[in-house]
Amino acid sequence: AQSVTQPDIHITVSEGASLELRCNYSYGATPYLFWYVQSPGQGLQLLLKYFSGDTLVQGIKGFEAEFKRSQSSFNLRKPSVHWSDAAEYFCAVGALSSGFQKLVFGTGTRLLVSP
Amino acid sequence: EPEVTQTPSHQVTQMGQEVILRCVPISNHLYFYWYRQILGQKVEFLVSFYNNEISEKSEIFDDQFSVERPDGSNFTLKIRSTKLEDSAMYFCASRGTGSSYEQYFGPGTRLTVT
Repeated sequence: AQSVTQPDIHITVSEGASLELRCNYSYGATPYLFWYVQSPGQGLQLLLKYFSGDTLVQGIKGFEAEFKRSQSSFNLRKPSVHWSDAAEYFCAVGALSSGFQKLVFGTGTRLLVSP
Repeated sequence: EPEVTQTPSHQVTQMGQEVILRCVPISNHLYFYWYRQILGQKVEFLVSFYNNEISEKSEIFDDQFSVERPDGSNFTLKIRSTKLEDSAMYFCASRGTGSSYEQYFGPGTRLTVT
């Protein structure tokens, strides 16, 4: 069965510092991978996605992620964090079943940004 | 920009009562989903819906749950007899027919069962 692991429950980063959020997945075939962000009281906003091709993908708000098949990882990065980036970040894998896709989410990483 | 909307934003109900959560997916999307997130936990898949029928459902989606697309715009989730453990944030999502497989999520309905 598909699964996603986000090993860090909380991360605190100083404003202006770089950020890397870890994500590891388990999936038998080529995965469809996503990062979503959830601000307090808000829904899920798609940051970026990977389906195929270039393993370094760019997303919104200055985020990027790198797909590494050998490590089954899809880590999210940002070179300089802003206070407004404080939120919960979810990695997800798209699991195809009879052609219909559901998303399997990780447990999330809560990002705190210190001044 | 088109978006998924959900109503109500917060619903409080008593145990044993029926609730209907409503969603308006993006207008040209054909695949619809419900997910839930119990407070402090991860987002979990409930059900996917296509061509007026359920295409997949999770173990959570038991006989107390049902989904319907009553007209061309709404997509509803009904819980027949709510339990305390149904308290959660419920997210609706939709996606188009392209190969991107992106799912667009609504803002969620917070259901509180007392």
